[in-house]
Amino acid sequence: DTAVSQTPKYLVTQMGNDKSIKCEQNLGHDTMYWYKQDSKKFLKIMFSYNNKELIINETVPNRFSPKSPDKAHLNLHINSLELGDSAVYFCASSQDRQGSSPLHFGNGTRLTVT
Amino acid sequence: GQSLEQPSEVTAVEGAIVQINCTYQTSGFYGLSWYQQHDGGAPTFLSYNALDGLEETGRFSSFLSRSDSYGYLLLQELQMKDSASYFCAVRDGGGKLIFGQGTTLQVKP
Repeated sequence: DTAVSQTPKYLVTQMGNDKSIKCEQNLGHDTMYWYKQDSKKFLKIMFSYNNKELIINETVPNRFSPKSPDKAHLNLHINSLELGDSAVYFCASSQDRQGSSPLHFGNGTRLTVT
Repeated sequence: GQSLEQPSEVTAVEGAIVQINCTYQTSGFYGLSWYQQHDGGAPTFLSYNALDGLEETGRFSSFLSRSDSYGYLLLQELQMKDSASYFCAVRDGGGKLIFGQGTTLQVKP
């Protein structure tokens, strides 16, 4: 009965490869997010979707492409992986976009690019 | 630009009280939140302040002063399990939740 689940938990791959991370939430939330946490633990928002509509797209390289087939799912595809993409990627969801709506995070995907 | 500033590290002993400060500068403000993250884990929500004043939840309290663009998280009766990173976060005018760089709290016996 995990609230926000993302797979895989670990991803080790070589430069130049393409990989995907999947995320699903069973909380009935309207808004989902992708955050990147670097080695210094800085959490930076990448994308946000509200009811399948892209509402936030930070200055992320276009090698990163999110996709939301329905409001319970938000996947992240990364093309031509680079060393600098190594990080922990967190999926999250919130009831809505209001300030009072807390984010519920998945357990993260630790991506290592070699 | 948008920024949140908080100390990088704080150390305290079990049973003590510790305060983690956060100052923010954002385009729009829709509340200050605090999240806890243990090593290898996911950030988890602790508290939210939309209005000035103190909010108390058990051993944790959070304070906000909008006029000073300042808030803090107060942890009382520290326990070893409180050793973690603590992030302040602000929802800006564009709906983004922007995080500070995190404060690593080490609780010693």
